[in-house]
Amino acid sequence: EMQMVETGGGSIQPGGSLRLSCAASGFTVSTYMSWVRQAPGKGLEWVSTIDDIGGTYYADSVKGRFFISRDNSKNTLFLQMNNLRAEDTALYYCARAINGMDVWGQGTTVIVSS
Amino acid sequence: DIVMTQTPLSSPVTLGQPASISCRSSQSLVHSNGNTYLSWLHQRPGQPPRLLIYKISNRFSGVPDRFSGSGAGTDFTLKISRVEAEDVGVYYCLQATQFPWTFGQGTKVEIK
Repeated sequence: EMQMVETGGGSIQPGGSLRLSCAASGFTVSTYMSWVRQAPGKGLEWVSTIDDIGGTYYADSVKGRFFISRDNSKNTLFLQMNNLRAEDTALYYCARAINGMDVWGQGTTVIVSS
Repeated sequence: DIVMTQTPLSSPVTLGQPASISCRSSQSLVHSNGNTYLSWLHQRPGQPPRLLIYKISNRFSGVPDRFSGSGAGTDFTLKISRVEAEDVGVYYCLQATQFPWTFGQGTKVEIK
């Protein structure tokens, strides 16, 4: 069974940093993988994607502050989030980005507040 | 950036009746490789989204055949032939043809 489990969320003050992890099982993360977030009561927002050869792509709202990466040996996807802002408060999902986004984790919550 | 516009934003439906959601993109979603990366996802309350349809009209594994997708270029449609209670929730279209990838605003489907 294909599965992903996100960890690393929490409450943090503006300007702080967090590193989200997404451990995958049943498939390899060395493919297109994405992070998507959902602010409370809002819709889905694409955040970042890493492609099969390591190319990285970001939404303008996080460019220069967030960095996507993966460790193939641990079959884990990461999102390093720096200089966090209140508007980054959301539930963060990782997703395998093949044929759309076909496998999703349950999400991890990030709250940015003073 | 490609803007994805869904209509309607809310759709009260009767059980057993059909439902339809439209998604329009601000520019063509045809990729240089000839594929059109338009997909549909469904999110039930408190759950992560799940993929229903990819590349316009391909049903993902395990998705009931009452769900179908169609369209081309900039205009796309998701149809539910006979709505069941488990179909309530929010439906999103997603374009993955061009970065930044973008979602529609979401269409909330509820039972009348």
